[in-house]
Amino acid sequence: VQLVESGGGVVQPGRSLRLSCAASGFNFNTYAMHWVRRAPGKGLEWVAFISFHGQDIYYAGSVKGRFTISRDNSKNTLYLQMNSLRAEDTAVYYCAKDLYRGDGYYGMDVWGQGTTVTVSS
Amino acid sequence: ETTLTQSPAFMSAAPGDKVIISCTASQDIDNDVNWYRQKPGEAPILIIEEATTLVAGIPPRFSGSGFGTDFSLTIDNIESEDAAYYFCLQHDNFPFTFGQGTKLEIK
Repeated sequence: VQLVESGGGVVQPGRSLRLSCAASGFNFNTYAMHWVRRAPGKGLEWVAFISFHGQDIYYAGSVKGRFTISRDNSKNTLYLQMNSLRAEDTAVYYCAKDLYRGDGYYGMDVWGQGTTVTVSS
Repeated sequence: ETTLTQSPAFMSAAPGDKVIISCTASQDIDNDVNWYRQKPGEAPILIIEEATTLVAGIPPRFSGSGFGTDFSLTIDNIESEDAAYYFCLQHDNFPFTFGQGTKLEIK
């Protein structure tokens, strides 16, 4: 089981960035997925959830209305579209697989190594 | 939103010690708590699921307890490799929330 994030970088406040997470080694289309971040010197913050079929989506209040989670099961890829970025969005972003397949949500088991997003002018 | 209050924020232990990390939820969340460990520069790893279930491959020195609002992670016979940050997560309701984290230092 492997998750590999990409798309991070340095971006100015107010701009956009799209993160990708390539999944392999498991049946991606049967597991819900998450994005989680960790800002410098801070703890983990859950960001977003998408069900295995893509119909159930939830966001943290801090990103709701600015970030969009999506998935392409034909490409085994998870995405996070981040708009109107702010300095406080600076963090390492991790994609993570839910523990169990199917409906429901049980937290994350396998995590990627993360991609760094820096929002700075 | 369910708040998880984790304590202590920092602790120092010697090899062979026993440590207990606590998480208190602001509302009843059954046993919907997982515990994670993260070392610098690495991704988090899951060590306890559903409050008490030890994940395969994690040493039995680790154990979890609790139900409802009060949860704890116990590490027996501490080893130097246990130095890390530890976090609790509630997955009972959205938005998921993490505890603030505990940095464990080994003397």
